[in-house]
Amino acid sequence: KAGVTQTPRYLIKTRGQQVTLSCSPISGHRSVSWYQQTPGQGLQFLFEYFSETQRNKGNFPGRFSGRQFSNSRSEMNVSTLELGDSALYLCASSLVNRDEQYFGPGTRLTVT
Amino acid sequence: DAKTTQPTSMDCAEGRAANLPCNHSTISGNEYVYWYRQIHSQGPQYIIHGLKNNETNEMASLIITEDRKSSTLILPHATLRDTAVYYCIVRVATAYGQNFVFGPGTRLSVLP
Repeated sequence: KAGVTQTPRYLIKTRGQQVTLSCSPISGHRSVSWYQQTPGQGLQFLFEYFSETQRNKGNFPGRFSGRQFSNSRSEMNVSTLELGDSALYLCASSLVNRDEQYFGPGTRLTVT
Repeated sequence: DAKTTQPTSMDCAEGRAANLPCNHSTISGNEYVYWYRQIHSQGPQYIIHGLKNNETNEMASLIITEDRKSSTLILPHATLRDTAVYYCIVRVATAYGQNFVFGPGTRLSVLP
């Protein structure tokens, strides 16, 4: 069974731009969560989607948003990029009734 | 904030058992303990989770104390590829749901 895939793997953007990252969960997984990882703050939870609905969110500004499609694929969007948004963005998927999450390789975003 | 505390770093000789401790003194009766690890620049990898009974899988064993205030992850025969940051996690309840909150983890170095 294929794992969680994320695209693109690397991305360079300029301050003020926006970016969209994509995540394809493991087949059959319906829950998708997003995390941001930086050297200073570590791994921080962004939000979780299930059945196309955001059901959980972390403490991030509204510039960070996401959505989930009917096939469980998910995207996250960051608008008006800031230098501090440079990070590894990780996506994780899980089954409906099981809690362990399986992570993708991440998208490394660099904002210049 | 994370509900767990772990040592910052540990060393282990290759071929020996690695015992990684975790304190979670405020854990509630229905909260699971999860363990993940992250090898440099990769997404975190699920290892094991448990509620109150000891658990074992192909990767590791999880020993939870009777009062559930602490646990130990055991890698029975550590290899160089087990060098990673190991995270012990108890979900944190927020206004939006229960989040995985990653602390700084334990950096395990397996030495030849």
